[in-house]
Amino acid sequence: LAKTTQPISMDSYEGQEVNITCSHNNIATNDYITWYQQFPSQGPRFIIQGYKTKVTNEVASLFIPADRKSSTLSLPRVSLSDTAVYYCLVGDRGTNAGKSTFGDGTTLTVKP
Amino acid sequence: EAQVTQNPRYLITVTGKKLTVTCSQNMNHEYMSWYRQDPGLGLRQIYYSMNVEVTDKGDVPEGYKVSRKEKRNFPLILESPSPNQTSLYFCATKGVQGTEAFFGQGTRLTVV
Repeated sequence: LAKTTQPISMDSYEGQEVNITCSHNNIATNDYITWYQQFPSQGPRFIIQGYKTKVTNEVASLFIPADRKSSTLSLPRVSLSDTAVYYCLVGDRGTNAGKSTFGDGTTLTVKP
Repeated sequence: EAQVTQNPRYLITVTGKKLTVTCSQNMNHEYMSWYRQDPGLGLRQIYYSMNVEVTDKGDVPEGYKVSRKEKRNFPLILESPSPNQTSLYFCATKGVQGTEAFFGQGTRLTVV
């Protein structure tokens, strides 16, 4: 499994756009990039997944450059309730989909 | 409603007393996993299962057992718990080619 590297923590203010970058230099051809959000004492919750270029859903966008060695989760106009830990995962959706390695995550703190 | 149900939610036990944490899902997912989460260490995968009767070790399997006799259930067994297994445990499920994993509510285990 490709190792991922994220900033340990980030601070932001309400209403700002937040971009969290994940580095995954050893990403394999079959790997997808998935982001999860976790609040204290709760299980992680899926945010978004992508393979290349840009993916957007109702809560976030995911930007993946052509070499796929990094990805950026973009959260538009954050609020206090977006304070959480964000994890980037890289993994196969096929035969190895069962094995998952979460990195240390990025603790995002949104201030009023 | 899609659910991943763990029981118990909280458990305090003594060293050496065998215990089982149950995990049940109603989404007919093939993949199921167990994770433990400790302060400063993120989520670490203990065991995972690709389907009935197919299980494999994750990153931290020592001291744990699992079984997958039915598709919906994936119990985590601690034959002889020790204090270093005090942790927050999460069960997760995912379908074949599934985009996202669904996590249970967590089980907070304390071994004294």
